[in-house]
Amino acid sequence: DAGVIQSPRHEVTEMGQEVTLRCKPISGHDYLFWYRQTMMRGLELLIYFNNNVPIDDSGMPEDRFSAKMPNASFSTLKIQPSEPRDSAVYFCASSNAGQTYQETQYFGPGTRLLVL
Amino acid sequence: AQTVTQSQPEMSVQEAETVTLSCTYDTSENNYYLFWYKQPPSRQMILVIRQEAYKQQNATENRFSVNFQKAAKSFSLKISDSQLGDTAMYFCAFMKLRSEKLVFGKGTKLTVNP
Repeated sequence: DAGVIQSPRHEVTEMGQEVTLRCKPISGHDYLFWYRQTMMRGLELLIYFNNNVPIDDSGMPEDRFSAKMPNASFSTLKIQPSEPRDSAVYFCASSNAGQTYQETQYFGPGTRLLVL
Repeated sequence: AQTVTQSQPEMSVQEAETVTLSCTYDTSENNYYLFWYKQPPSRQMILVIRQEAYKQQNATENRFSVNFQKAAKSFSLKISDSQLGDTAMYFCAFMKLRSEKLVFGKGTKLTVNP
């Protein structure tokens, strides 16, 4: 059973460029979460979706960040334009409200982003 | 707003020994969930154990167990018979009932020495 899949695993880009991070949740899961991890701020929830609908985007740092979930098996997090302070590890996680222990979130391997 | 505090930035333990990681949290909620996640050098976040606040019995998963003290708002993780593969960052996390939002502590870096 495949876990949460994220791509790319590593991304190096230059300031001002557009960055797109991708996530495939676990099949059948109806919640999808995007987190950012930095040394300074730890793990922060950016946005989460339920049944492809954004529920809470209060953690999205600014308008340069946007996230979409066009279908149940795919989500993107886009940064445009990117800045050096966006350098972090970005995690995608998913969970299933219909299961026992629905609150358990399963994380992908993360994308390490470096903006030069 | 809920907060989670892990007061031990780093800890070390000898292989085969027992270690306890501390976590306290602040909430006015009565029902909630608590989690410990492990993040090894690979960066993958792995669920170690979870606890429902309405359950008095402490959760146990093989060598991992928790000491949940609801009144004290404390949720410590005990690792027995430590193994080299337990070396990782450990994060304590809180979730309010019907919230879906996890609030993480800053983490404790655990090193298991041979």
